[in-house]
Amino acid sequence: AQKITQTQPGMFVQEKEAVTLDCTYDTSDQSYGLFWYKQPSSGEMIFLIYQGSYDEQNATEGRYSLNFQKARKSANLVISASQLGDSAMYFCAMREPNDYKLSFGAGTTVTVRA
Amino acid sequence: GAVVSQHPSRVICKSGTSVKIECRSLDFQATTMFWYRQFPKQSLMLMATSNEGSKATYEQGVEKDKFLINHASLTLSTLTVTSAHPEDSSFYICSASRRVSLNEKLFFGSGTQLSVL
Repeated sequence: AQKITQTQPGMFVQEKEAVTLDCTYDTSDQSYGLFWYKQPSSGEMIFLIYQGSYDEQNATEGRYSLNFQKARKSANLVISASQLGDSAMYFCAMREPNDYKLSFGAGTTVTVRA
Repeated sequence: GAVVSQHPSRVICKSGTSVKIECRSLDFQATTMFWYRQFPKQSLMLMATSNEGSKATYEQGVEKDKFLINHASLTLSTLTVTSAHPEDSSFYICSASRRVSLNEKLFFGSGTQLSVL
């Protein structure tokens, strides 16, 4: 079964606007970690933000914030004030305590338009 | 932040040859290293998990004799694609973890684009 679901294959956003990338996950564990990574066309994976399942507040890192809704098992990434350099593929991922592997979603390609 | 170096970044080889990809953690000791494979515009698929000094754990469907993984030290893991064929052409990326913890982020190498002719 798919552990991480990203339903948006691609999105366009206007420069300086905000964009929300959807992510839902499936786990029976109470303790888990959620991550978002950015992958530009060069290929490297850049860590953006982390949310722990027991964290009561939504994580924020600069222009990135995570809208964590535990009951709905969703962990949407919000990028505010989009910049041209934000154009990339974005992956949601989850780490569970049984094996600590990082499971990735299918990814969302974001294209920022000037 | 922690740095993971991966090389080569790109390799083109003839069918039947073997290719070795190195993954090094430059400023930390990596308890665990992971190897992923990625096709264009697709997600990262975990191939195997390697722990220093022990045999790698391969994911279901990954041929351990085809993809040899060695984790000889806490800073170096290698992936050898043996007798490579065109269907092995892909982007391979490694990652390293300092410790086994839910909130420990993975640091990734820059990836290796393998093209088998």
